[in-house]
Amino acid sequence: AQSVTQPDIHITVSEGASLELRCNYSYGATPYLFWYVQSPGQGLQLLLKYFSGDTLVQGIKGFEAEFKRSQSSFNLRKPSVHWSDAAEYFCAVSNTGGFKTIFGAGTRLFVKA
Amino acid sequence: EAGVTQFPSHSVIEKGQTVTLRCDPISGHDNLYWYRRVMGKEIKFLLHFVKESKQDESGMPNNRFLAERTGGTYSTLKVQPAELEDSGVYFCASSQEGVPLHFGNGTRLTVT
Repeated sequence: AQSVTQPDIHITVSEGASLELRCNYSYGATPYLFWYVQSPGQGLQLLLKYFSGDTLVQGIKGFEAEFKRSQSSFNLRKPSVHWSDAAEYFCAVSNTGGFKTIFGAGTRLFVKA
Repeated sequence: EAGVTQFPSHSVIEKGQTVTLRCDPISGHDNLYWYRRVMGKEIKFLLHFVKESKQDESGMPNNRFLAERTGGTYSTLKVQPAELEDSGVYFCASSQEGVPLHFGNGTRLTVT
C-alpha cells in the first residue's frame, strides 16, 4: 500500500541554521512527490514538486528537495532558516494519474532565536 | 488571481445537526479535491471532482457525507447528521493538472 512517513513529529532549529526534514515513501511505481507548508491560520501552500527529470528540485522560499529512488526518500532542505519558516510541513506522494494524493503526518518546525 | 476560497472558516454545531461546507476553486480549474484532517492525524483524501463528475470518492467516510459540484464550478460538502468524529479541518484544493496544487485555508468543523 502507498504510504508516506515523516519520522520527525517536530524539529527545533536555531535561526540561521540549516534544515533538513525527512520524508520516506512507499509506492510501487514512479511517484509524484510534493512538499507543502501550513503556517498558522493558513491553508496548505505548495513548496515544490517532483514529477520527473532532475532529482534535485528547487522550490519557493529557498527550499529544495532531493528525490532518491534507491532510498525512497524526498527530503526537504534549506541552508539557512528564518523565523518565518516556523510552520508545519507535509510531504505527499501521488500516482502518475495524480488523482489520490497521500500525505505524511507532518513535521512541525520551531525556530529559536 | 483569486485563490481557493472556503467558507465558513469555522463552524461549531451539535451532534445530529447538518453542516454544509463550500469551496470556490480557482476559476478555470477542472480538478477539485476535498481533504480532511482530524486532530493530530494525517490529511486524508475524501474525493476528487473533474468538472462536475466525481472522479474518485473512495475516501468519503460514510453516507452521511455528500459532495456536489453543480455546473463544475463551486463545490459543497454536506455532513448530515454530524457526529463527534467528524470534527476536524476540511480542506479544498483545485488545479488544472491532475494533482492538488492550490489549497484553501480550510474549514474548521467542531461537533459538540
